[in-house]
Amino acid sequence: AQSVSQHNHHVILSEAASLELGCNYSYGGTVNLFWYVQYPGQHLQLLLKYFSGDPLVKGIKGFEAEFIKSKFSFNLRKPSVQWSDTAEYFCAVAPNRKLIWGLGTSLAVNP
Amino acid sequence: DGGITQSPKYLFRKEGQNVTLSCEQNLNHDAMYWYRQDPGQGLRLIYYSQIVNDFQKGDIAEGYSVSREKKESFPLTVTSAQKNPTAFYLCASSPGTSETEAFFGQGTRLTVV
Repeated sequence: AQSVSQHNHHVILSEAASLELGCNYSYGGTVNLFWYVQYPGQHLQLLLKYFSGDPLVKGIKGFEAEFIKSKFSFNLRKPSVQWSDTAEYFCAVAPNRKLIWGLGTSLAVNP
Repeated sequence: DGGITQSPKYLFRKEGQNVTLSCEQNLNHDAMYWYRQDPGQGLRLIYYSQIVNDFQKGDIAEGYSVSREKKESFPLTVTSAQKNPTAFYLCASSPGTSETEAFFGQGTRLTVV
């Protein structure tokens, strides 16, 4: 079955630390890839997406993600996190036009 | 402002009662979706509608019902048949039939006591 795996369920960092959240998917064909973020008390919003082209994708608020096809991965990165990055992060994959969601990673950034 | 409005933000109901969650959008989107979010389980699709007067079951439709009488509105009813209704419910809409372009509302937290 198609699935999305996010390796870390809870991550705690100090401000200015670097962030990398792992995301792997199980689907052999062409996929569209997404990272969504849900800040406390706010609606789920798109952070970045990959459809084709440059596998290094830049999103909002300094986030980026790299698609590595050979590893079926789409890891999210940020060089220096801020307290305001505290949120839940979801990876999602669309092998067709339907989304398959990871279970989410809760990030807490300590000031 | 254009967007998706879910109401109420918090809802409490007694066990055995049906309850309807509201979702309205003024984005002129054709498709609308309902998800359920539980801690540690990500998002699961309950129902979706790609056009007025038509809707399809998602992955966990049992115990839920929907209607799509107007383009702007996609209410979700949590029936007494839903075994574990306490959850966070998210509504979304998209301009086309692709779920991947979805915009989300702020959610309704339903607690059944």
